[in-house]
Amino acid sequence: EAGVAQSPRYKIIEKRQSVAFWCNPISGHATLYWYQQILGQGPKLLIQFQNNGVVDDSQLPKDRFSAERLKGVDSTLKIQPAKLEDSAVYLCASSLSAGGWSYEQYFGPGTRLTVT
Amino acid sequence: AQSVTQLDSHVSVSEGTPVLLRCNYSSSYSPSLFWYVQHPNKGLQLLLKYTSAATLVKGINGFEAEFKKSETSFHLTKPSAHMSDAAEYFCVVSDVREGRNFGNEKLTFGTGTRLTIIP
Repeated sequence: EAGVAQSPRYKIIEKRQSVAFWCNPISGHATLYWYQQILGQGPKLLIQFQNNGVVDDSQLPKDRFSAERLKGVDSTLKIQPAKLEDSAVYLCASSLSAGGWSYEQYFGPGTRLTVT
Repeated sequence: AQSVTQLDSHVSVSEGTPVLLRCNYSSSYSPSLFWYVQHPNKGLQLLLKYTSAATLVKGINGFEAEFKKSETSFHLTKPSAHMSDAAEYFCVVSDVREGRNFGNEKLTFGTGTRLTIIP
């Protein structure tokens, strides 16, 4: 079974530039998550999708971050404009949705963003 | 609100000796608890999970954890460390937002414990 795919793996941009990350979840997984992991910290949930609807985006800085999941499969996370404090690893995860219980989240390798 | 506290940011043990990574949690509900491992340049991998069944949970690679409600702890142990165990370990708590409908679980990660194995 193929895992969660993310691209690019690494990205270096200057502050005030824009950047986009792509995630392809495991086939059949209806729930998709984006996390931000700052160096020395645990991952923090940015946004959670159930199919193509947003379940939780309470910790997404909406003035500069946006995410979409068209057609309920792939997802993109965008930062515009980037700030120095956005330097982090951005993790995508997916999980099965069958109603009524929690299922394991499978994580991708992440995209390491450096803002200079 | 839910939270986890990993009591050690860095643990070093010699190969072949026991491993203990400590975690305390806080949750308003009956929590689900997890341990994830993160090897360099690799994705997070689930080691084990507790979801209100047996309090002693066995995971992959010889790891296990015991849920102790009275102590609000979920410490991770392994009897004998191997060089391949060197990684970052995260204790995670899951609470539901509303009811028990799937899709409402929210994972809250600890700050991580870096495990170093001394040859």
